[in-house]
Amino acid sequence: ETGVTQTPRHLVMGMTNKKSLKCEQHLGHNAMYWYKQSAKKPLELMFVYSLEERVENNSVPSRFSPECPNSSHLFLHLHTLQPEDSALYLCASSQSETGELFFGEGSRLTVL
Amino acid sequence: KQEVTQIPAALSVPEGENLVLNCSFTDSAIYNLQWFRQDPGKGLTSLLLIQSSQREQTSGRLNASLDKSSGRSTLYIAASQPGDSATYLCAVRYSWGKLQFGAGTQVVVTP
Repeated sequence: ETGVTQTPRHLVMGMTNKKSLKCEQHLGHNAMYWYKQSAKKPLELMFVYSLEERVENNSVPSRFSPECPNSSHLFLHLHTLQPEDSALYLCASSQSETGELFFGEGSRLTVL
Repeated sequence: KQEVTQIPAALSVPEGENLVLNCSFTDSAIYNLQWFRQDPGKGLTSLLLIQSSQREQTSGRLNASLDKSSGRSTLYIAASQPGDSATYLCAVRYSWGKLQFGAGTQVVVTP
C-alpha cells in the first residue's frame, strides 16, 4: 500500500447530492489534513486533525464536514455543494503537526 | 501578514541546463521549509525538508538552501531532464504551527 491513499480519484455530483471523500494513511502518522486546490490558486488548508482531535478549521462552509475516526482514516463529507466547490481535494499526513507532509493523489471533484 | 512568494511563476529551459527555483517568505520565524513537486492532476510529492537550523539539504540532483535572515530558499536541480517538467511548490511552516504554501513555479524542460 502506498503512503496516503485517497478514494475516489474522481467524483461528479449534483448540488443536492451527499457524498464522501476518504483518505487512509499507512505511515503511522498522527496528524491528518484536508486541503483544497483550485485552479491558479495556492493550496488552501481546510482542516487539521492531530491525535484524532480537530485542531484547525479554516472558516470552511458547513457543507463540508470532516470526520477522523482514528489516526489512519480521514473523511470529508459533502452535502449541497456549489459549482465553485469544484476543485482537487488533497489529503495529507505528518508525524506531529510540525513534521514532513506526505500527500495523497487527490480527489478531483466536479459539482454540476 | 505572512506571505510565501515563488518567482518566476513559469520557467522553460532546454534539457541539460540547471534549474534554479526561488521561494521567499516575509517572516523569518520559521520551523521548517518543504519543497514539493506536483504533476498535472496529481498530488504533491515531497522532495526535500529543511529544518530551520539547517542551511541546505541534498537528494540526488536536487539541492535546497535556506537563508532565514534574508527570507529565502532556493531549489537547484542539476542537469535538468524532460521528466523534471512539473510544478514545484514550497511550503513554510512557522514556529507557531501555521503552514503556508507558495503558488508554485511551473517548469517545462524541453528535449
